Amino acid sequence: DIQMTQSPSTLSASVGDTVTITCRASQSISTWLAWYQQKPGKAPNLLIYKASTLESGVPSRFSGSGSGTEFTLTISSLQPDDFATYYCQQYNSYYTFGQGTKLEIK
Amino acid sequence: EVQLFESGGGLVQPGGSLRLSCAASGFSFSGSAMSWVRQAPGKGLEWVSAISGGGISTYFADSVKGRFTISRDNSKNTLSLQMSSLRAEDTALYYCARGGLGYVNTQLDYWGQGTLVTVSS
Repeated sequence: DIQMTQSPSTLSASVGDTVTITCRASQSISTWLAWYQQKPGKAPNLLIYKASTLESGVPSRFSGSGSGTEFTLTISSLQPDDFATYYCQQYNSYYTFGQGTKLEIK
Repeated sequence: EVQLFESGGGLVQPGGSLRLSCAASGFSFSGSAMSWVRQAPGKGLEWVSAISGGGISTYFADSVKGRFTISRDNSKNTLSLQMSSLRAEDTALYYCARGGLGYVNTQLDYWGQGTLVTVSS
């Protein structure tokens, strides 16, 4: 089974900051990686797929990069609406989610 | 507009059974693989099961293999998850999502709002 490890688990930042969340796979997954945003009481929302492709309608301040085992999600110029929990997910072999990163207001 | 609406959740005793349904609209249901993902209270996301568009191929997480069955009725645009031998650790909000496994695995691009399953005596 492929394990996904996100870091950090919690991230404190201010509006206007740029933040980066890292996701590591236990084995190579090429670029079969997606990022989701989840707000309290809501379903996850797809942000990025194929490691770096922005889902339609997602603001361009979100970007993804990486391949193999190391991936990052970068959010530039944080907006109040961006404070949420973020999950990475591999879909190279079945599906595995990272444990999540909670982005909090500093 | 793509819409997914789950139903069937509730309180069930350990060892019991429950059937979840997901009504889909706004896209080619028969042309889309579908998945179930769950989230225990206060915890992260866990993929549960997936089914191909035609319903021929099914996939399960090890944690539910042998206890859960996934199926679909493409004539009614409905996805189902039959859960049996339920355990306390199956307590979660269950989401259906568009996307799945097969010749090409895909991301989960649309999600329902979830239905809550509570396993408790």
